[in-house]
Amino acid sequence: DSGVTQTPKHLITATGQRVTLRCSPRSGDLSVYWYQQSLDQGLQFLIHYYNGEERAKGNILERFSAQQFPDLHSELNLSSLELGDSALYFCASSVGTSGMETQYFGPGTRLLVL
Amino acid sequence: AQRVTQPEKLLSVFKGAPVELKCNYSYSGSPELFWYVQYSRQRLQLLLRHISRESIKGFTADLNKGETSFHLKKPFAQEEDSAMYYCALSQGGSEKLVFGKGTKLTVNP
Repeated sequence: DSGVTQTPKHLITATGQRVTLRCSPRSGDLSVYWYQQSLDQGLQFLIHYYNGEERAKGNILERFSAQQFPDLHSELNLSSLELGDSALYFCASSVGTSGMETQYFGPGTRLLVL
Repeated sequence: AQRVTQPEKLLSVFKGAPVELKCNYSYSGSPELFWYVQYSRQRLQLLLRHISRESIKGFTADLNKGETSFHLKKPFAQEEDSAMYYCALSQGGSEKLVFGKGTKLTVNP
């Protein structure tokens, strides 16, 4: 599958813990975006990386951080987890940064904080 | 601030009936607008975007700047159209997408 991949599919953890979500973009895509989808807030943009550099930040909490590595995969780190962080976390990728490009989404990581 | 509103959480129609999923946006510049679809157990995927002015799977959407709307339409709904539909906006020069909360379309036989 040459599409966007995300691991793990599911994650169950406890409050106060830290987790790392991983995303591999489509081959050739330099941009990676992270989104959070919750029942009450819908799909919310968190952060965007392009070729290893942070390009835009959305409603990302200070407890959350991300990075994009030289091989272009990205990791989203969530720390001091709270019950409200339970959500579906999507990664998307695109070729560049024009804003008019199609973003290709991964299957998501479902995080449950107990 | 940019905002996308999809007023209907749920929409149910019968097969063969016309369907319109509403999307309104607020943005002062020239937005790029998209419709994304998520079929059951599948990932979110692009359905269409206004700049391409194309029809995908029989769906069309027209950008109405006067009414700040980008409604998605299909003249004859099919059962396989049942899915979650998200309207999204990107401002020119910015990479992030602002999504509406989605409309769940159910096409009944």
